[in-house]
Amino acid sequence: DAKTTQPPSMDCAEGRAANLPCNHSTISGNEYVYWYRQIHSQGPQYIIHGLKNNETNEMASLIITEDRKSSTLILPHATLRDTAVYYCIVRVADTGNQFYFGTGTSLTVIP
Amino acid sequence: KAGVTQTPRYLIKTRGQQVTLSCSPISGHRSVSWYQQTPGQGLQFLFEYFSETQRNKGNFPGRFSGRQFSNSRSEMNVSTLELGDSALYLCASSKEGVNEQYFGPGTRLTVT
Repeated sequence: DAKTTQPPSMDCAEGRAANLPCNHSTISGNEYVYWYRQIHSQGPQYIIHGLKNNETNEMASLIITEDRKSSTLILPHATLRDTAVYYCIVRVADTGNQFYFGTGTSLTVIP
Repeated sequence: KAGVTQTPRYLIKTRGQQVTLSCSPISGHRSVSWYQQTPGQGLQFLFEYFSETQRNKGNFPGRFSGRQFSNSRSEMNVSTLELGDSALYLCASSKEGVNEQYFGPGTRLTVT
């Protein structure tokens, strides 16, 4: 699975959009980008995933660059409950659930 | 729909003992994965079971083992506990062919 690079921490004002970047310059053609988050002392929570098209669901939007070497997770209106560690994971889909979570980005939403 | 449940939630064991943790996946989910989370190493994959067979395995010693039953419930066992095994052990389940994993609350194991 390709490696990912994320900033260790970010702050975001409550109500504003939180844009979390992820670099995956060695991604290969059949690897998907997954995002999970982990709120303190809880199990990780699936957010969204995509291959090359931008994706949106009720939680977030995923923007993948045309060359697929980086992506951005967007939380459109951050709330205090979005304070968590966000993990960007790149892997081939449907090959089992062996996920490597890395160190993630610690997002703090500030009131 | 009930989420992933793990028992017990907290456990204290002594070095050298063994421990068994249990995970009940979401109904209809046949894949169960186990992860270990420590402050130093972060979230690390232990193994995955699908249809009672181990499908993937992480880089952990043989003291860590698991199994899955016909109802998809899974157990993991750690023998000869070491202080470094103190961690949050997380279980996740997913449907066949889908990589969206749903995690349980974890079992906090403390080895003294």
